[in-house]
Amino acid sequence: KQEVTQIPAALSVPEGENLVLNCSFTDSAIYNLQWFRQDPGKGLTSLLLIQSSQREQTSGRLNASLDKSSGRSTLYIAASQPGDSATYLCAVISSNTGKLIFGQGTTLQVKP
Amino acid sequence: EPEVTQTPSHQVTQMGQEVILRCVPISNHLYFYWYRQILGQKVEFLVSFYNNEISEKSEIFDDQFSVERPDGSNFTLKIRSTKLEDSAMYFCASSRQGGYSPLHFGNGTRLTVT
Repeated sequence: KQEVTQIPAALSVPEGENLVLNCSFTDSAIYNLQWFRQDPGKGLTSLLLIQSSQREQTSGRLNASLDKSSGRSTLYIAASQPGDSATYLCAVISSNTGKLIFGQGTTLQVKP
Repeated sequence: EPEVTQTPSHQVTQMGQEVILRCVPISNHLYFYWYRQILGQKVEFLVSFYNNEISEKSEIFDDQFSVERPDGSNFTLKIRSTKLEDSAMYFCASSRQGGYSPLHFGNGTRLTVT
């Protein structure tokens, strides 16, 4: 059974720092991995999707990497800003129906 | 940019009542989903729907739950007889190609069962 774990659970950094969020999964047979952002009481905003054949994806200040064989992904945020404060969720898709299995998230606070 | 829309944003109901949560997926998407998030817990998969039928469902999605695409645009989740433990945020999502393309989520319906 696929399990997704995110470390750390919470992170507080000063504005301008570069940071890395970690995600691990137990079953390497995945279709893809998706990173989301969730603001308090809101929906999930898709940030990046990495296909299982890819090693990384970039969007603006965000870079996500995938090492399928070791069951790990990282989300790198460059030059963090207070507006980046949110919960970041990692989710893997293990079937062609698109069923996502989520981690518990990392809650990021960027202090001005 | 096209988005998934959900109504209502907040629903309060009494235990034992039926509720219907509504969603309008992105128009050219073919796969539709319901997820839920109990306060403080992980987002959990409930059901996926493709080609007018359920393609996968979780253990949570028992006989109290049903989904329907009554017309070309809406996708609904019905809970037949709500329980206190059904209180959660319910998210609708859609994707173009199932597991091969990103899922896009709505802002959710917060269901409170009293």
